[in-house]
Amino acid sequence: EPEVTQTPSHQVTQMGQEVILRCVPISNHLYFYWYRQILGQKVEFLVSFYNNEISEKSEIFDDQFSVERPDGSNFTLKIRSTKLEDSAMYFCASSERGQAASRDYGYTFGSGTRLTVV
Amino acid sequence: QQQVKQSPQSLIVQKGGISIINCAYENTAFDYFPWYQQFPGKGPALLIAIRPDVSEKKEGRFTISFNKSAKQFSLHIMDSQPGDSATYFCAASPNFGNEKLTFGTGTRLTIIP
Repeated sequence: EPEVTQTPSHQVTQMGQEVILRCVPISNHLYFYWYRQILGQKVEFLVSFYNNEISEKSEIFDDQFSVERPDGSNFTLKIRSTKLEDSAMYFCASSERGQAASRDYGYTFGSGTRLTVV
Repeated sequence: QQQVKQSPQSLIVQKGGISIINCAYENTAFDYFPWYQQFPGKGPALLIAIRPDVSEKKEGRFTISFNKSAKQFSLHIMDSQPGDSATYFCAASPNFGNEKLTFGTGTRLTIIP
């Protein structure tokens, strides 16, 4: 079964440092997303990306965050200057446009990157 | 209006019993309602989903019941097994799931022998 692959699985960084979280979405998917989950809390939407541009972003996704699809396979989330409160599990997801409802595939989530800011 | 409210926060069910988790929403633009199962250290995995044109959907031991007028939907797990122990999230999305998902707060389900 196709998977969304995320690397690294765990990243520890010092406050103020830049981090890049990497994702390889499923190859025929056209919509890409980043979500985050602070320990023990609900999954929160950060940003959606389609046709090489951001289609929607949440209030969490401020100027410190950016996304990029640098080539045909990778999708990255960059946090420019990390804060302690950025510590969370970050999930990448992808979905097929217009197919999700008809097949009930929905999103496919990766296993996440646990970001710890110290 | 964007919230999805989920209850209970935690649930303990005996093996073989029925687990029931409830969700409610406000936003009438939501038209896709998936349930996700999450094991520790893993990403959410789609379990089952429903659209508002049906009131119930069943896949194996998992059933979604949907009440459009009440803006509520629930997950029923029949013959619950220890392997079902996980955190379950309901979610909702407009545009048939092609837009962002709004998640509920999660229910930690524990199935005891």
